[in-house]
Formats: sequence, C-alpha cells, structure tokens
Amino acid sequence: QSALTQPASVSGSPGQSITISCTGTSSDVGNYNLVSWYQQHPGKAPKLMIYEGSKRPSGVSNHFSGSKSGNTASLTISGLQAEDEADYYCCSYAGSSTWVFGGGTKLTVL
Amino acid sequence: QVQLVQSGAEVKKPGASVKVSCKASGFTFSGYYMHWVRQAPGQGPEWMGWINPNTGGTNYAQKFQGRVTLTRDTSITTTYMELSRLRSDDTAVYFCAREKVVVDTMYHYYGMDVWGQGTTVTVSS
Repeated sequence: QSALTQPASVSGSPGQSITISCTGTSSDVGNYNLVSWYQQHPGKAPKLMIYEGSKRPSGVSNHFSGSKSGNTASLTISGLQAEDEADYYCCSYAGSSTWVFGGGTKLTVL
Repeated sequence: QVQLVQSGAEVKKPGASVKVSCKASGFTFSGYYMHWVRQAPGQGPEWMGWINPNTGGTNYAQKFQGRVTLTRDTSITTTYMELSRLRSDDTAVYFCAREKVVVDTMYHYYGMDVWGQGTTVTVSS
C-alpha cells in the first residue's frame, strides 16, 4: 500500500482554526469510515486524537474534530493553542486486516 | 496503571535479526489487538502488522511479509516483534500500540490508544 497523502506543513495563529487533509483511495479512506488521527510531539510516542473518522477518545479536547468526504479525511483544530504545535498523522484501514499511515503534517502555531 | 513497556535499544549488523518485546500491564491483555509500528528518523509512522492476543492470529503489511513475525505469550502478557534479514534502512524506532476491537453486527475499531515508549533499532556494519 502507498502512504496516505498529507500536506507537509500547515500553520495558524492562536485562536484560529486549521484543517489537515489526508487523501487516500477508494481502497482505504474512501471505502471505510476507519480513519484515526494521531498527534506526536518530538521524541514522544503518538497520541490518539480521533478514531473511526470523527470520534474523540476520552480526555481529548473537543477543539479537535474529524470528518471525511470521498477519499479525503480531515482533521480540524479550532481555537489553536500553542500546545497544539506538533506533527499530525492520519491512519486508515486498508482492507484485508491491514492499515496505512499518512506521511505526516507539521503544525506550526505562529 | 495502563502501560506498554518495551525492551531496550538494539544495535545489529546487516543480515541479522532483532526481537523486540512489549509487556502489557494494567488492562486485560486478551481484550486488545497489538499493532507494531516503526518510525524512521524524520519520517512518519509505518504500520508493520498486528496480532490478536486471543488467537495469536496475525496480519502483516505486504512490505514486511516474510521478514516480520509477531508472537505473544499470554502467560506474561507480552507480545514480540521479530524482524529478520536486517538492512540499514530498518534503522528506526519501533513501537507497539494496543487497539480495542469490538465485534457486534460489524467491527468497531477504537484506535491505537496506548503506545509503548519505543525501541530504537540501529542497523549498522
């Protein structure tokens, strides 16, 4: 499988909203509502932010939200905060009990 | 508390094998699939495979078929990832991560919500 496509970087000012896209194919993102999103700070393990496309695990702020349209999933962060600055990765079920990650997006809070 | 604790860093020569362990505690081991994910320096995560701790059933990314083996020992709530025929581009941090999977009328996947601390594997001659 090929990695899902994400923009290399996005940026925004505190309080603004940003959206990170994650583009796959009809074999992964487009065929299943099983995209998860992970936040990773340098030197740390990834942290689950969204699962099954739009669901937030307990303890994750509601200023993170997920959606999907066709072969593209999106993570929206509203009311940007300095601590949101991190790398973000999407991950999708790809059929046959396999999964594929995106290449990652570096979020800079200006 | 809920945690996954991995074995320590490894340095291997090309062509060798490495086996990394992931000890689970604080939760019902049999209730969660275990993924293995690696991350090369400066790169995004790469899914390698997962194991069903109940059955021992495994699925692997096509890229690693024939080179990776996932196993588990339920008596000590530990899963293992063994990667053979190592190359320099296998140098990476290797993570285990659990995922709850519930089956009713369909499958529900709850995401990789707990991760190990990572194990650095360096392949160098």
